[in-house]
Amino acid sequence: EVQLVQSGAEVKKPGESLKISCKGSGYSFTNYWITWVRQMPGKGLEWMGITYLGDSDTIYSPSFQGQVTISADKSINTAYLQWSSLKASDTAMYYCARRAIDGKEFDYWGQGTLVTVSS
Amino acid sequence: QSALTQPASVSGSPGQSIIISCTGTSSDVGRYNYVSWYQQHPGKAPKLIIRDVSNRPSGVSNRFSGSKSGNTASLTISGLQAEDEADYYCCSYASGSTRVFGGGTKLTVL
Repeated sequence: EVQLVQSGAEVKKPGESLKISCKGSGYSFTNYWITWVRQMPGKGLEWMGITYLGDSDTIYSPSFQGQVTISADKSINTAYLQWSSLKASDTAMYYCARRAIDGKEFDYWGQGTLVTVSS
Repeated sequence: QSALTQPASVSGSPGQSIIISCTGTSSDVGRYNYVSWYQQHPGKAPKLIIRDVSNRPSGVSNRFSGSKSGNTASLTISGLQAEDEADYYCCSYASGSTRVFGGGTKLTVL
């Protein structure tokens, strides 16, 4: 069974750094792309970027380029989303999802990680 | 890269059909046949219901169908059921191998 399991909820202060994770199981992780999607409270989905686990090729949304870093460690089937200096506006639910191997859509999703940034 | 345009809300009675539109540009929806649709119930992760404009993944009800004309894609839900009440998002592949989501549509089953 394909599963993407994300790390737990985080509460941070502005200016702090953070790295959240997304661990895949039940499939060959290195053959797939993993994407990250932001959902601010009460708002819609926003595409942040996507990384290929095989060679770490990463593409960012212009809206998020320079604001976050997407990475992966294929040896442990895990993708990451990190911030070097959080802002209150980073408060949101963050989802990882797998891009289908034969298409462009996202066929499996993680359960989401809630990040709260507050002083 | 602006979000695709969806109606904020639609509603219908059980058994009826509804259509949700998703309007983009010639750089995304109009250029590629890679529009997907996602259903999201409150507090849950999104679920893929349509891929490549009109294809249903295995296990998705045939009451869901998709289409595209020009820069606008559409999701049709026929035979509305109470369980269909959710938020729906379109997503398009775009130039530079990026993606863009629609703003989302809240479906209310009356």
